[in-house]
Amino acid sequence: GQQLNQSPQSMFIQEGEDVSMNCTSSSIFNTWLWYKQDPGEGPVLLIALYKAGELTSNGRLTAQFGITRKDSFLNISASIPSDVGIYFCAGQRPTGNQFYFGTGTSLTVIP
Amino acid sequence: DAGVTQSPTHLIKTRGQHVTLRCSPISGHKSVSWYQQVLGQGPQFIFQYYEKEERGRGNFPDRFSARQFPNYSSELNVNALLLGDSALYLCASSFEVGVKSETQYFGPGTRLLVL
Repeated sequence: GQQLNQSPQSMFIQEGEDVSMNCTSSSIFNTWLWYKQDPGEGPVLLIALYKAGELTSNGRLTAQFGITRKDSFLNISASIPSDVGIYFCAGQRPTGNQFYFGTGTSLTVIP
Repeated sequence: DAGVTQSPTHLIKTRGQHVTLRCSPISGHKSVSWYQQVLGQGPQFIFQYYEKEERGRGNFPDRFSARQFPNYSSELNVNALLLGDSALYLCASSFEVGVKSETQYFGPGTRLLVL
């Protein structure tokens, strides 16, 4: 079952605001992936993190691999309407190949 | 380059029937993983295949099975369908597995409705 907790569950923000969301686990992970999913479509990879403490950016998106290896954070700066969607974190444990997905954060951007 | 492709896009079945879903990975990728995503939840891992061998299996009943072909495409089979099998079935491909930098890329999914 799910091992990753994402928060917040949903966010309603004004266009131009910054967004922060996080993903936590009781287990250590050695890979964190962040995805965005639009309704009825497959998740699209945003950022991949492979090292504790790593900070990686992709345009207005920045994600960090927590130093405890049990959490990860995603920030979106200066949100725009097309940022609307559900954001998922996914983690891979040191043993095994399976990726575990979080419960998702639903983002609504109000123009 | 084409991304991950899946077929069919939508499917309607009745309880007790069997279904086969298909996936073609990104060119050059050798691993395919299958996920089930029910409405309002994150994807749940079903299987992972690499070089035609099963490398991982999630907590799903034996009604679910899969295989990978020499060209690295894959099929997911579900027997004796239940209403609860209604979901979006996602396929993800990666270049290889078990490496520190494994990254998975998803297809658009197959929406299965069981009546």
